[in-house]
Amino acid sequence: SQTIHQWPATLVQPVGSPLSLECTVEGTSNPNLYWYRQAAGRGLQLLFYSVGIGQISSEVPQNLSASRPQDRQFILSSKKLLLSDSGFYLCAWSVLGLPEQFFGPGTRLTVL
Amino acid sequence: TQLLEQSPQFLSIQEGENLTVYCNSSSVFSSLQWYRQEPGEGPVLLVTVVTGGEVKKLKRLTFQFGDARKDSSLHITAAQPGDTGLYLCAGMTGTASKLTFGTGTRLQVTL
Repeated sequence: SQTIHQWPATLVQPVGSPLSLECTVEGTSNPNLYWYRQAAGRGLQLLFYSVGIGQISSEVPQNLSASRPQDRQFILSSKKLLLSDSGFYLCAWSVLGLPEQFFGPGTRLTVL
Repeated sequence: TQLLEQSPQFLSIQEGENLTVYCNSSSVFSSLQWYRQEPGEGPVLLVTVVTGGEVKKLKRLTFQFGDARKDSSLHITAAQPGDTGLYLCAGMTGTASKLTFGTGTRLQVTL
């Protein structure tokens, strides 16, 4: 069966520090991969998606970037965090052509 | 920009009551999904509807996709405390299976 992992689960970082969040998927090949950010108790905003290694599409201009160095690995990064980067970050995967997305457990990021 | 508005935003009911959550848009979606999310966890997929007018049932939950594929509803019969959570609708459009998420409905069911 397929599983998706995210780490760390929680992170507290000072303003101006770098960020690296990792997401890995097991049990499937060539997944579409997604990064979302969720404001408290609200809907999800799509940040990045990837249909293959090295292929990244950005949905909104921001202080973040994404990379996909391996088929089942998706990384969210920042060189200098802002207070507004605080939030709940979710990684998800899907099978090409199918609508269902499956989410990881999320990372709670607090920028102080 | 496609928007999915959910109503109500918050709902607090007692165990045994019925409720309906609505998800509305001016855009047409090729499919629509409902998720439930617990605090501090990722959303969990409940159902996918793809055909206009389609109705799907999952135990006490009934999902309907509008005829024009612009809206959907979720009806819960005899709500239980275990139904508590954030309910999210999401419509799929375009390539790469991109989803547009609704604004969310937070449901609390008390004894």
